[in-house]
Amino acid sequence: EAQVTQNPRYLITVTGKKLTVTCSQNMNHEYMSWYRQDPGLGLRQIYYSMNVEVTDKGDVPEGYKVSRKEKRNFPLILESPSPNQTSLYFCASSYRGTSSYNSPLHFGNGTRLTVT
Amino acid sequence: GESVGLHLPTLSVQEGDNSIINCAYSNSASDYFIWYKQESGKGPQFIIDIRSNMDKRQGQRVTVLLNKTVKHLSLQIAATQPGDSAVYFCAERLTQGYSTLTFGKGTMLLVSP
Repeated sequence: EAQVTQNPRYLITVTGKKLTVTCSQNMNHEYMSWYRQDPGLGLRQIYYSMNVEVTDKGDVPEGYKVSRKEKRNFPLILESPSPNQTSLYFCASSYRGTSSYNSPLHFGNGTRLTVT
Repeated sequence: GESVGLHLPTLSVQEGDNSIINCAYSNSASDYFIWYKQESGKGPQFIIDIRSNMDKRQGQRVTVLLNKTVKHLSLQIAATQPGDSAVYFCAERLTQGYSTLTFGKGTMLLVSP
C-alpha cells in the first residue's frame, strides 16, 4: 500500500532533550516536506526536500533540522525542544515538487508532540 | 488530530443533503488548487484537485468549482454521509520560480444521521 509512515504517533518529552521523528515513504517520491499544525493557524511548512541531499527552509524552520540521505526517508530533528514546539507534525511527499496536477501531496498520519 | 477542529467555522448538514464548502484564496497568480479532508486523528487526505485553466472538475460524489474572478474555490459533496464528517481545507499553489503551497485553515463538516 502506498503510504507515508511517521513514527512515533505520540511523543511526550522534556525541554532540551533531543528527539527525532522519522518519516518514510514507499512511493519513490522526490519531494518530501514537514509541516506543523496548530489550532487557528493551519498547516505551516517547516522544511522541505526536493531530492536526496537537497533541503530548504519553509515558513517556520527555527528550532528544527532535517536530513535527506536516502530518497525514502526524511527525519525531523529537534536538537533542543522547547514548549512552543508542542504541536501536531505531519510529513508529506509528492512525486515531484510542491504538488502537481494528478500528483498531489500525500500526508502521513501525524505525530503529536508535547514538550514540557 | 483532535484539536484540529477548534476555532474553525462549522457546517452542519443532515445525511443525504448536498454540502458546499467554500474557500477564498489569496493570490490571483496561483495556478493549482487542492481540497483535502482531515478526519480526527489522521493526516490530510487528498480529495480532488483543479488547475487554474479549469473552472469545474468532478470526482466521485465531489465537484470542485473555481471562480478566478473573485478568487473563490468551492467543494460540493453530493448525498453527504456520516463518514464525510471531517475538517476540509483547500490549498493553493503559487509558482514564481519555485512553488509554494499555502493551506487554508479549514471548515468542519458535521453530518447528522
